[in-house]
Amino acid sequence: DAKTTQPPSMDCAEGRAANLPCNHSTISGNEYVYWYRQIHSQGPQYIIHGLKNNETNEMASLIITEDRKSSTLILPHATLRDTAVYYCIVRWAQGGSEKLVFGKGTKLTVNP
Amino acid sequence: KAGVTQTPRYLIKTRGQQVTLSCSPISGHRSVSWYQQTPGQGLQFLFEYFSETQRNKGNFPGRFSGRQFSNSRSEMNVSTLELGDSALYLCASTGGGGYEQYFGPGTRLTVT
Repeated sequence: DAKTTQPPSMDCAEGRAANLPCNHSTISGNEYVYWYRQIHSQGPQYIIHGLKNNETNEMASLIITEDRKSSTLILPHATLRDTAVYYCIVRWAQGGSEKLVFGKGTKLTVNP
Repeated sequence: KAGVTQTPRYLIKTRGQQVTLSCSPISGHRSVSWYQQTPGQGLQFLFEYFSETQRNKGNFPGRFSGRQFSNSRSEMNVSTLELGDSALYLCASTGGGGYEQYFGPGTRLTVT
């Protein structure tokens, strides 16, 4: 079973920041938080991951709470092309043999 | 660098037949994972191969099998197809010193 809880859907206005929350209260010390998104009928796309520090890349920012029990993915200026299902995944990153366990994710709709 | 490629992109088969799907990972990546995505069950892990060896396996019947070649390309096979095997089959590759999985576009299998 997935170790994360996400709201099933969210809406965001184009050009505004999209803040997608994720709860992972049972995360262990050596587990990372990963975010992927899946645009309709395409393969999931890696966005970002982090352990305990906040992370930023060209796509998004990841804010992890100090107790690591929750995190927020931030898309700073959402566009229509950001409409997708966003998955928050907890996994141990010490080796590629750890499978990804996907939950139901959050369906983000960016409105014009 | 070219991404993960999967062939064919679409496939229609009849119940009882068998099917082979192919995945070419990103150059230099040695790990290939396979996932099945259906509307009812979501994204589920099938198996993972690394250096031609199956390193991890999900909870699927023995009709689902795979292999990996010395060039890291992977194939998965489904024998005695059932209607419930209709799904999007995704492969993902990992490597290059990172642990992120990069997904291909998927193969859409329809069983009639």
